[in-house]
Amino acid sequence: KQEVTQIPAALSVPEGENLVLNCSFTDSAIYNLQWFRQDPGKGLTSLLLIQSSQREQTSGRLNASLDKSSGRSTLYIAASQPGDSATYLCAGGAVLGGRTNAGKSTFGDGTTLTVKP
Amino acid sequence: GAVVSQHPSRVICKSGTSVKIECRSLDFQATTMFWYRQFPKQSLMLMATSNEGSKATYEQGVEKDKFLINHASLTLSTLTVTSAHPEDSSFYICSAAAGGRADTQYFGPGTRLTVL
Repeated sequence: KQEVTQIPAALSVPEGENLVLNCSFTDSAIYNLQWFRQDPGKGLTSLLLIQSSQREQTSGRLNASLDKSSGRSTLYIAASQPGDSATYLCAGGAVLGGRTNAGKSTFGDGTTLTVKP
Repeated sequence: GAVVSQHPSRVICKSGTSVKIECRSLDFQATTMFWYRQFPKQSLMLMATSNEGSKATYEQGVEKDKFLINHASLTLSTLTVTSAHPEDSSFYICSAAAGGRADTQYFGPGTRLTVL
């Protein structure tokens, strides 16, 4: 059974700082790894998706890496801004057999980021 | 592309009533849809996997008679919370994936259910 862990649970940084959020997973047979952002009381916003054959993805100030062998993914946020304050969730996607290859995702508990002006 | 909608976004109901939540894939056909639940300050937990035209597969501990899932078409899945109680108050999120190829799940915006 896949288990996903995110460390730290909470992080507070001053504006402008670069930071790294960590995600570890126990089953390396993931199909993909997604990073999401969730604002309080809101739904999920997909940030980056890394397929199992990839090692990293970049979007603007965000860079996500995936190392299946070590069971780790990181989300790097450059030049953090107060608007980046949110909870960041990672999710490992599994492969289901049978009718479809689309598999369910296992989520970590998230890292709540606060960027202070 | 790959947009998933949910309706309603918020619902408040009285204890004992049933509530239906819709999940639609707007621009693609979703062979598989997933329903997740998120309690306050907790992460998302998978409730069930729904394949079009067949019965949903529920995760351990999820009551299938309480959380009725119907996936009648390739673009629509519904979750009905029957005889809702205050402990069912939660954030319900669906996701949809296109079948036939190993694919990404596209998540809906979620529905916040409050049972009084």
